[in-house]
Amino acid sequence: AQTVTQSQPEMSVQEAETVTLSCTYDTSESDYYLFWYKQPPSRQMILVIRQEAYKQQNATENRFSVNFQKAAKSFSLKISDSQLGDAAMYFCAYRGTILSNSNSGYALNFGKGTSLLVTP
Amino acid sequence: KAGVTQTPRYLIKTRGQQVTLSCSPISGHRSVSWYQQTPGQGLQFLFEYFSETQRNKGNFPGRFSGRQFSNSRSEMNVSTLELGDSALYLCASSLALQANYEQYFGPGTRLTVT
Repeated sequence: AQTVTQSQPEMSVQEAETVTLSCTYDTSESDYYLFWYKQPPSRQMILVIRQEAYKQQNATENRFSVNFQKAAKSFSLKISDSQLGDAAMYFCAYRGTILSNSNSGYALNFGKGTSLLVTP
Repeated sequence: KAGVTQTPRYLIKTRGQQVTLSCSPISGHRSVSWYQQTPGQGLQFLFEYFSETQRNKGNFPGRFSGRQFSNSRSEMNVSTLELGDSALYLCASSLALQANYEQYFGPGTRLTVT
């Protein structure tokens, strides 16, 4: 089964600074998708960014970018120019591309999350 | 387009009772997935439905079941509730049953079992 590990339960960053959240995963599949989701206090899960494993180029979305290292099975999220509204739980998630009885198929496998605090 | 809606938003039940949660996907979306979120276990996949058929199931006991209707709306049912079933239940919809389609989450149903 695929596992996702977020080793930082909590992180803190000052407004306007840059922070990097770590994520590693374990899989035997060669094709898959990786995601970062944000969950603010409202509990609504919001997709921040996604990365296709077959793409070598790192995904970027405005102030959010990833560092995808396929060989190392690492997928970190960098938030630049942090804003107070970025404060939330951030979840790294893996999604396989094989639908079978032996794995969770297309289900999202989530890490335990990193709580990001943004200070003024 | 309206987002994913879940009803009710909050629910309090007693141990041993059963509960039904509802999820309406984004219009045009045909796949619905359910996740359980607890402080201890984090986010765990329950099941996924597409075209009224369960296509994928997580590692939960048979007390957890679901179904999907012809309009893609989905319900999940938990029978013989236990204290450990207290959780936030999240529903997510996507266009179809393909890995490259993004999942959009609803606001969740907070279930408290006393």
